Amino acid sequence: NAGVTQTPKFRILKIGQSMTLQCAQDMNHNYMYWYRQDPGMGLKLIYYSVGAGITDKGEVPNGYNVSRSTTEDFPLRLELAAPSQTSVYFCASSPSKTYSGANVLTFGAGSRLTVL
Amino acid sequence: GESVGLHLPTLSVQEGDNSIINCAYSNSASDYFIWYKQESGKGPQFIIDIRSNMDKRQGQRVTVLLNKTVKHLSLQIAATQPGDSAVYFCAEKRDTGNQFYFGTGTSLTVIP
Repeated sequence: NAGVTQTPKFRILKIGQSMTLQCAQDMNHNYMYWYRQDPGMGLKLIYYSVGAGITDKGEVPNGYNVSRSTTEDFPLRLELAAPSQTSVYFCASSPSKTYSGANVLTFGAGSRLTVL
Repeated sequence: GESVGLHLPTLSVQEGDNSIINCAYSNSASDYFIWYKQESGKGPQFIIDIRSNMDKRQGQRVTVLLNKTVKHLSLQIAATQPGDSAVYFCAEKRDTGNQFYFGTGTSLTVIP
């Protein structure tokens, strides 16, 4: 059981380039999330999805796009990368709304992105 | 303790002592809270959770206390060990959706 898998682990982009961060989960979770974590800071919610075909903005959506064509995958697209998007990106998933403890919000290992 | 928007607070404790990490949350309607531990280079991992209809919950060596009156959450770690060194985050579920919002985090260092 792999849990939440993110690729790539590291990436360097030039200003103005575009890229997609991939996220896949094998737990049949309906909810998926993208967070960013700036150095020495907490996690900020970028986008989330409550199921295939449904996405919504979080706290800091500007400069990003997402899609959710399947339950398993939730890619995050960066268009026109900017230095302010240098961060560590975490994908997470959870079952449908429930107070079930340890299986709430399972995180991937993170993708470190640097924009120069 | 944690404060949204500020840089990472730090806490150093001697091995074997108890640790208390604090978190102030913002929304009185938040109904569920989780503490996460994040080790260097890894994603956050679940430690313990508490619903808003409780004021205390205990796990193995960890206790979470919730004070809804002042919107304050704390994580107590008993007999702190070197392996407890990490950044600790509290997260609140603010509304009827399943969105979780995180505090800034506290960096805990255990001195052998």
